Amino acid sequence: NAGVTQTPKFQVLKTGQSMTLQCAQDMNHEYMSWYRQDPGMGLRLIHYSVGAGITDQGEVPNGYNVSRSTTEDFPLRLLSAAPSQTSVYFCASSSGGGEGTEAFFGQGTRLTVV
Amino acid sequence: KNQVEQSPQSLIILEGKNCTLQCNYTVSPFSNLRWYKQDTGRGPVSLTIMTFSENTKSNGRYTATLDADTKQSSLHITASQLSDSASYICVVRLAQGGNKLVFGAGTILRVKS
Repeated sequence: NAGVTQTPKFQVLKTGQSMTLQCAQDMNHEYMSWYRQDPGMGLRLIHYSVGAGITDQGEVPNGYNVSRSTTEDFPLRLLSAAPSQTSVYFCASSSGGGEGTEAFFGQGTRLTVV
Repeated sequence: KNQVEQSPQSLIILEGKNCTLQCNYTVSPFSNLRWYKQDTGRGPVSLTIMTFSENTKSNGRYTATLDADTKQSSLHITASQLSDSASYICVVRLAQGGNKLVFGAGTILRVKS
């Protein structure tokens, strides 16, 4: 049981390049989310999904796209990377919307845009 | 605006000592409050989850308290160990669909020998 797996762990992009951050979970969780973590700030929600085929925007969605074609996978796409997207990205999953639902996080992807 | 404020920003203590981290929130509607531990270069890992009706919860040497009236929480670490060095993040879940979480910026704890 691997939990939440993110790839890659590190990435350097040039401004304007596109890329996809991968996230996979093997816990059959309905809810999946993408966050970014910047120094001195709490994690901020980029996009989330409450099930396969359903996605919605979070607090900071601009410049990012997501899709949820399967329960297991929730990739995050950077359309045209900008230096402001330099951050650590975390994917999380949880089993549902219940009050005591635990959220499990991946190990993060550290992205640098130059 | 939904906010979670943590204090102090950072803390250094000697191994074996106790410490208490603080969290104030203005999140509404409130569902539950969580404390996470984040080791350097890793994702957050849950320590405790407390609902509105719970005012204390323990996980080994970690004890979290919640005062829903004053919207304050604390995380007390007893007999600290070097492995407790990490960022501790207070997170409040909104009582609405989507399991939305509001994160504090964290308190960085360093335990010295």
